[in-house]
Amino acid sequence: GQQLNQSPQSMFIQEGEDVSMNCTSSSIFNTWLWYKQDPGEGPVLLIALYKAGELTSNGRLTAQFGTTRKDSFLNISASIPSDVGIYFCAGQYQGGKLIFGQGTELSVKP
Amino acid sequence: GAGVSQTPSNKVTEKGKYVELRCDPISGHTALYWYRQSLGQGPEFLIYFQGTGAADDSGLPNDRFFAVRPEGSVSTLKIQRTERGDSAVYLCASSLTPGGDEQYFGPGTRLTVT
Repeated sequence: GQQLNQSPQSMFIQEGEDVSMNCTSSSIFNTWLWYKQDPGEGPVLLIALYKAGELTSNGRLTAQFGTTRKDSFLNISASIPSDVGIYFCAGQYQGGKLIFGQGTELSVKP
Repeated sequence: GAGVSQTPSNKVTEKGKYVELRCDPISGHTALYWYRQSLGQGPEFLIYFQGTGAADDSGLPNDRFFAVRPEGSVSTLKIQRTERGDSAVYLCASSLTPGGDEQYFGPGTRLTVT
C-alpha cells in the first residue's frame, strides 16, 4: 500500500541532543499527524497539523506542516531516555484513512 | 481506562482457520478504523466506519477479510481461511467525528498464523 517517505530510518543520539526527522509525499495532504509507538503498544498521537505552514509545539516537540502540503517535520529538543521509540508521520487528504511513513526509530544514550 | 481497547491481545491460529478480532472504541467516538502493521512498517489502512456503515473499505486486501460494526460502537474484524501472510498486528483506532483527523489507537491484536 501507499506509504510516505520518512527519514531517517533510525537515529542513535546522546541524551540532551536535539532530534529532527521529516516526511515527504508525492501527494498533498490536508492534515499531518505525528505519532510515537513503544514496543507492544499502539501509536500515541503527539501533534496534529491542519494548515500549510503551521508550526505547532507540544512540550519539547515541535512539528511543522510544509508549505507545499507534501511534507512535514518533527523536532525534539533536549532528548531524554523516555523519548526512545518509533516515530511515525501520517498524512490525511479528506477525512478517513491515514497514510503512514515507515517510521524513525530513535535510540537515546544516557 | 477510557481508551480504545482490543481483544484478544494475542491470537495464534492455524492456517485455514477463521478468526475474529474485536475493537471497543472510545465512548462517543463515531468513526472507527482498522489498520494492519507488519514488522518494521507503519500501519496500513484496511477499513473505516462512520456509525454502522463502512465508509471506505478500499484497504481490505481480499474477500477473506470482512468487518462489521452493527450498533455503531464495537467492531469485529473477521478473517476467513487465514494464511501465514495474514500474520501482523491489527490496530484499531477511533475518532470523535466522522472521518475526524485525530485518530486514537488501541494496543493492537498480534495475530500469528502457523
